[in-house]
Amino acid sequence: DAGVIQSPRHEVTEMGQEVTLRCKPISGHNSLFWYRQTMMRGLELLIYFNNNVPIDDSGMPEDRFSAKMPNASFSTLKIQPSEPRDSAVYFCASSLRTAHGLHSPLHFGNGTRLTVT
Amino acid sequence: TQLLEQSPQFLSIQEGENLTVYCNSSSVFSSLQWYRQEPGEGPVLLVTVVTGGEVKKLKRLTFQFGDARKDSSLHITAAQPGDTGLYLCAGGHSGNTGKLIFGQGTTLQVKP
Repeated sequence: DAGVIQSPRHEVTEMGQEVTLRCKPISGHNSLFWYRQTMMRGLELLIYFNNNVPIDDSGMPEDRFSAKMPNASFSTLKIQPSEPRDSAVYFCASSLRTAHGLHSPLHFGNGTRLTVT
Repeated sequence: TQLLEQSPQFLSIQEGENLTVYCNSSSVFSSLQWYRQEPGEGPVLLVTVVTGGEVKKLKRLTFQFGDARKDSSLHITAAQPGDTGLYLCAGGHSGNTGKLIFGQGTTLQVKP
């Protein structure tokens, strides 16, 4: 089991540029979560998907942020245009939601450290 | 807005000492999870508690869920340098969307 795989590990970009973060969840997991971690605000849930469908995007800070999950094994988080205040570590996590609505523990990737200058 | 407040935020102790980290909320949670995160990595689940008053032990770590399911504590006995890291509590609700509310975390440094 390779775990949740995120890429890139580090991203440095200039303000105004588009940034795309990628995530491959654990095979067989049907729920996927995007979190953002900063010193000031800790871990914040941005959006989560169940069976590739976005269920709750209330944590997405602005329209500049968008996320997609075109299939069960891939998701992207896009920021366009990026701003310095978007600098943070972005984590993807996955879990298995059963038919009874119970979730297996969250498995996190190692994150993408984004720096917007 | 539901909040989980952790205390202390930072803790630096010597190897062999005991410590307790607290996680408090004004909201009731159906489950409470504790994670440990090391630099450059994602959080890793340590334990889940679901019953008020529940106590779970993981080697030198003892986790307790408050009777009212609003608070939790993590106690480490005889801390070791390998315990160094960021400890996060996270609350979840039944109906279980898998959505978790995370505390700000407690950074623990154990010096040899």
